[in-house]
Amino acid sequence: KAGVTQTPRYLIKTRGQQVTLSCSPISGHRSVSWYQQTPGQGLQFLFEYFSETQRNKGNFPGRFSGRQFSNSRSEMNVSTLELGDSALYLCASSFQNPTEAGNTIYFGEGSWLTVV
Amino acid sequence: AQSVTQLDSHVSVSEGTPVLLRCNYSSSYSPSLFWYVQHPNKGLQLLLKYTSAATLVKGINGFEAEFKKSETSFHLTKPSAHMSDAAEYFCVVTAFSGGYNKLIFGAGTRLAVHP
Repeated sequence: KAGVTQTPRYLIKTRGQQVTLSCSPISGHRSVSWYQQTPGQGLQFLFEYFSETQRNKGNFPGRFSGRQFSNSRSEMNVSTLELGDSALYLCASSFQNPTEAGNTIYFGEGSWLTVV
Repeated sequence: AQSVTQLDSHVSVSEGTPVLLRCNYSSSYSPSLFWYVQHPNKGLQLLLKYTSAATLVKGINGFEAEFKKSETSFHLTKPSAHMSDAAEYFCVVTAFSGGYNKLIFGAGTRLAVHP
C-alpha cells in the first residue's frame, strides 16, 4: 500500500508569490491534515479536512488555505509568501473521522519550501 | 488542557547501549499517546501507539514504551541502540477539543548514536 505522497518535495519561491502543495493520502483514508515544521516553532497544525470539508483549523493567517477533493486528495495554498513561511510542510492522513478518539495519522515525506 | 513535555532536547548514546527518551503528558481524560521518529530530511514515521490496551506497547525497530498513569509518563526505550536510530523523536498526545481530535506534539528529542 502506498504511503502519503506529497508533491513537490522541494521548491523555491520569491517573496510575494503564491504556492500550491499537493497531498495524496493513503488509499482508503478520508482525513487529511497539514502541518508546518520549522526549527524555531516545531510542528504546528494548519488544518484538517474530512469529506471535502475543513473540520479543524490552527492559528495561521488567512494566507494559508486548503481544500480536499472528492478522491480525498488535498492541496494547500499559501499566498503572498513571506520569508517566515520557509518550512517543511507535512501532510498526514488517517482513516477515521477527526471526531473519533484514538485516531492514528500517517505522515508524508513533506514539501520543503524556501522563500527568498 | 492536554500537553506533552519531552524532558530532554538531546540524548547521546553509544551504539549497543540502551536508549531512554522521556515523555510526560497531561490529559484530563484517558489519552491516546504516540511516538514518531523523523530521520533527516524525512517525514514522521509512526513508531508505536498507546490506546488504553496493554500498558507496555511494542513498536517497530525494537522500540517500546510503557504507559504509567500514576507518573503521567510514556517513556520510549530500546535495549540496544543502532547507528540508524539517530534521528529526532516526537512524543504526541491526543486532545479532544471542540468536538475534534487534535494531536499535541512534544518539542522533540534529538538522539545521537556514537560508534
